Amino acid sequence: NAGVTQTPKFRILKIGQSMTLQCTQDMNHNYMYWYRQDPGMGLKLIYYSVGAGITDKGEVPNGYNVSRSTTEDFPLRLELAAPSQTSVYFCASRGRQGITDTQYFGPGTRLTVL
Amino acid sequence: GEDVEQSLFLSVREGDSSVINCTYTDSSSTYLYWYKQEPGAGLQLLTYIFSNMDMKQDQRLTVLLNKKDKHLSLRIADTQTGDSAIYFCAERPMDSSYKLIFGSGTRLLVRP
Repeated sequence: NAGVTQTPKFRILKIGQSMTLQCTQDMNHNYMYWYRQDPGMGLKLIYYSVGAGITDKGEVPNGYNVSRSTTEDFPLRLELAAPSQTSVYFCASRGRQGITDTQYFGPGTRLTVL
Repeated sequence: GEDVEQSLFLSVREGDSSVINCTYTDSSSTYLYWYKQEPGAGLQLLTYIFSNMDMKQDQRLTVLLNKKDKHLSLRIADTQTGDSAIYFCAERPMDSSYKLIFGSGTRLLVRP
């Protein structure tokens, strides 16, 4: 299994541009998540999905959109990029490990908005 | 509200033990987790503890849970330079089984 993969690894955007961050998992997990990590801070939940066709807002959804047309893919869309969206973005999916569920993370996308 | 707090930085000498501390606020949390983030990578689960346990040992890792004080710690024995990373604790609230609340992370630096 490749696990959770994200593309691109790095991106620089100009203010007002749009882009889609891609996330794919091959573990057949229902739950998927998007987080952002600002320097020196923990992870903030942007959006999550409990299965194909179902998405919901997390703590910091403003300025982002998501879709979940398949179990495998959970893209994150940034419309009208702003400098405040400069961050590292992590996608995760939830699956079983031992006696608990846990989240499996992708390697992240480092986004800079200038 | 939900909040998980950690100290920002810890420096230890190679071969010593490291202790990373975490406090959480949700007493109903069912599981508590420790994740490790190496430079340029995503978070990887290191270990976890169920809320009805006081201690869990996994090779060089020991997790201690004090439910009364809502305090969680991760001890790494015989710390190696490869242990240098950021360590996040996270809680899973009982009323939100889908969600994890993460601390801000503790950067561990292991000096040769």
